[in-house]
Amino acid sequence: GEQVEQRPPHLSVREGDSAIIICTYTDSATAYFSWYKQEAGAGLQLLMSVLSNVDRKEEQGLTVLLNKKDKRLSLNLTAAHPGDSAVYFCAAPKTNYNVLYFGSGTKLTVEP
Amino acid sequence: EAAVTQSPRSKVAVTGGKVTLSCHQTNNHDYMYWYRQDTGHGLRLIHYSYVADSTEKGDIPDGYKASRPSQENFSLILELASLSQTAVYFCASKDRGSAETLYFGSGTRLTVL
Repeated sequence: GEQVEQRPPHLSVREGDSAIIICTYTDSATAYFSWYKQEAGAGLQLLMSVLSNVDRKEEQGLTVLLNKKDKRLSLNLTAAHPGDSAVYFCAAPKTNYNVLYFGSGTKLTVEP
Repeated sequence: EAAVTQSPRSKVAVTGGKVTLSCHQTNNHDYMYWYRQDTGHGLRLIHYSYVADSTEKGDIPDGYKASRPSQENFSLILELASLSQTAVYFCASKDRGSAETLYFGSGTRLTVL
């Protein structure tokens, strides 16, 4: 089944800077990947999903890149602001597409 | 708006005691999940269910039981709570027709003393 490794565990950037979070995966047959955001004291919320046949997807200041050769998925928050401070998780489905496997999370802090 | 409600929000339990965590969804979703969150481990799947009166084991089911008495309700039961089960527990639901979107509750912080 799929294994997902996420880094870094902690990331601190200044307001307006970019923040990049990376996940590597093992199963080249994975159909899609997702990014979730967890704000303090709350559950996770879906940010964006990308199908495995997509190399790049942009939405509302977020860019997801999928490098299938290196089995690497990245989330880039361009021009981060303090409201982006949260824990971010990548996720991929297991062989059973109704079960998600989550990365270990990245705590992002955006300082004013 | 999809809604998943967990209760209690926090709980302190004694070692060896029984703990029941409850989850209720109003999404009319088929799938429900229990995840555990520990620092540095992300979320790990304990049990899940795709239909009432049936549950499936996840990656770390030992020490936990699950119950799905109806489509809306999904409980996690710790028959003999242990110190190692101190964690934050999240319930989530998913529509059968949606491949990637899980809707999460706000979590239950369980402390076992």
